[in-house]
Amino acid sequence: AQSVTQLDSHVSVSEGTPVLLRCNYSSSYSPSLFWYVQHPNKGLQLLLKYTSAATLVKGINGFEAEFKKSETSFHLTKPSAHMSDAAEYFCVVREVYSGGGADGLTFGKGTHLIIQP
Amino acid sequence: NAGVTQTPKFQVLKTGQSMTLQCAQDMNHNSMYWYRQDPGMGLRLIYYSASEGTTDKGEVPNGYNVSRLNKREFSLRLESAAPSQTSVYFCASTPRGARDIYNEQFFGPGTRLTVL
Repeated sequence: AQSVTQLDSHVSVSEGTPVLLRCNYSSSYSPSLFWYVQHPNKGLQLLLKYTSAATLVKGINGFEAEFKKSETSFHLTKPSAHMSDAAEYFCVVREVYSGGGADGLTFGKGTHLIIQP
Repeated sequence: NAGVTQTPKFQVLKTGQSMTLQCAQDMNHNSMYWYRQDPGMGLRLIYYSASEGTTDKGEVPNGYNVSRLNKREFSLRLESAAPSQTSVYFCASTPRGARDIYNEQFFGPGTRLTVL
């Protein structure tokens, strides 16, 4: 069975400072991992995905994430926050053999990122 | 390409009323999904369709039915709406089979449903 934990429900940073959104997962098999962003009243947009090709994954808008198998983590970072980054962020894990949902796709509960001017 | 489209954008129902949420994708994707999003809960899978002609239950299927009308369209029906079904509903699609774990999902803009 798989699960994903987003360690912070809210993160607040000042514009221009680094962003760190934390995600830990558990998976019985080698998973794929995704980060999605949801701006207010919008659908979800893919930021980046881990597919086992490289442990450091670069995404859109300057975001990146590092897959650390030993720590079962997939934290999302950005060197310098911008006001437009204010949104809800979801960490998602997926494995082929799932004992839970029919499609083996599990969402974290989300982290609300607040950018202070 | 419009991507994934959903209608309506907003809907208010009374308890016991029925309605169908429509979803269509123009990306020739095989698999389609319906999720609901509730505050602090992330997204939870209601039903999915791995390919045209097949549907399967997800994590929270009770109170819902689905129809995969053709490759493009996947509808979600509430036969007798309840206040617990007040939520934001998202449709999504993915290019290949549901077992391809590296496929990301493409999401529609959502339908905000309120059941009074």
